[in-house]
Amino acid sequence: AIQMTQSPSSLSASVGDRVTITCRASQGIRNDLGWYQQKPGKAPKLLIYAASILQSGVPSRFSGSGSGTDFTLTISSLQPEDFATYYCLQDYNYPWTFGQGTKVEVK
Amino acid sequence: QVQLQESGPGLVKPSETLSLTCTVSGGSITSYYWSWIRQPPGKGLEWIGYVYYSGSTNYNPSLKSRTTMSADMSKNQFSLKLSSVTAADTAVYYCARVGWRGSSYYFDYWGQGTLVTVSS
Repeated sequence: AIQMTQSPSSLSASVGDRVTITCRASQGIRNDLGWYQQKPGKAPKLLIYAASILQSGVPSRFSGSGSGTDFTLTISSLQPEDFATYYCLQDYNYPWTFGQGTKVEVK
Repeated sequence: QVQLQESGPGLVKPSETLSLTCTVSGGSITSYYWSWIRQPPGKGLEWIGYVYYSGSTNYNPSLKSRTTMSADMSKNQFSLKLSSVTAADTAVYYCARVGWRGSSYYFDYWGQGTLVTVSS
């Protein structure tokens, strides 16, 4: 199975900060990667798929980039509602696998 | 707006079979893949597998020997059975729709999740 490694595992940031989360695949996965946001007690929410395509209704401050093995989720200006845990997911081959998550906390 | 709702027992005894159903409203299950994902308390997400509306399936090898998924078009539901459960199967179980664009797949609609505890 392809292993997805996110970094950092957690970070502290302030409202208005630019936040970058990285996801690295153990082998090349083209651009078959999505990003999900999860708040406590809630189901994950799709933010980005195909590495860089913003899901409908997701604010434009979220963006994704990357291809092959290295991917990035960027929040251009962190808002209060963005404090959450973020997961990447590869859909390149089976089994689909998630990263371990990155928790974005209040600084 | 598509909505998904998981249902099933919240407590299962060790060695027994966990059974969950996901009811889809606001849209038909036809022409989509439908997935189950789980999350142990305080941990990350694990893809369990998916079922196509016609019944074809694809399971995570780590759970394949114990997993059965099926779909019922007449009820607009799909289901998960996980046999021989242990405490390690205690988790919040989510059902989700698999959307796609080109060769990219993603989970675009999710149920709210249901906690299943394995304990005697």
